[in-house]
Amino acid sequence: QKEVEQNSGPLSVPEGAIASLNCTYSDRGSQSFFWYRQYSGKSPELIMSIYSNGDKEDGRFTAQLNKASQYVSLLIRDSQPSDSATYLCAVNPRVESGGGADGLTFGKGTHLIIQP
Amino acid sequence: GAGVSQTPSNKVTEKGKYVELRCDPISGHTALYWYRQSLGQGPEFLIYFQGTGAADDSGLPNDRFFAVRPEGSVSTLKIQRTERGDSAVYLCASSPWAGTPLTGELFFGEGSRLTVL
Repeated sequence: QKEVEQNSGPLSVPEGAIASLNCTYSDRGSQSFFWYRQYSGKSPELIMSIYSNGDKEDGRFTAQLNKASQYVSLLIRDSQPSDSATYLCAVNPRVESGGGADGLTFGKGTHLIIQP
Repeated sequence: GAGVSQTPSNKVTEKGKYVELRCDPISGHTALYWYRQSLGQGPEFLIYFQGTGAADDSGLPNDRFFAVRPEGSVSTLKIQRTERGDSAVYLCASSPWAGTPLTGELFFGEGSRLTVL
């Protein structure tokens, strides 16, 4: 059973602070990891992907991956009210070799609230 | 259009009825995915198409659910004998990167909200 676990929140962070979102996964063979943002009533939107251990930075967002601990995190620096949304962690368990792919396994998401 | 298009945006039906949900992916995207999202949950994988064929249908909950993509573009998700538990938002996503390490970088449509009374 492939599982992706996230704290559902809500996680409340003051504007301008760093928001830290965490995710653990059960399938040790997982190879690629994603963070999607979902505003209320809208569809998920990809904001970060990470494929190797360490940090990956993109603007105010940093994704961190630790495969040994089966742990993925997302840091949002200088949080803005527009960052208020649900953040979904997603994991793809297979290394792609052209033979097809399982769908992503998503966590339930963490509801983030940025307080002005 | 520029994005993934799903119709209808909302569908209300009665228990036992048949429903079709349509997805038009981004032009040129060979991979197409269907997910289902219930309130307070993350998207749940249903089926994945690479071209015209279903490469992975392991997420379909039972044989009442079926999906086709006859020409490798538009896909239709079909639900027979609908049940109240089928009520959810059905999300379609497409990707140009299936079969590469970038699989998982998906573009989602706005979803079809299905309500079974």
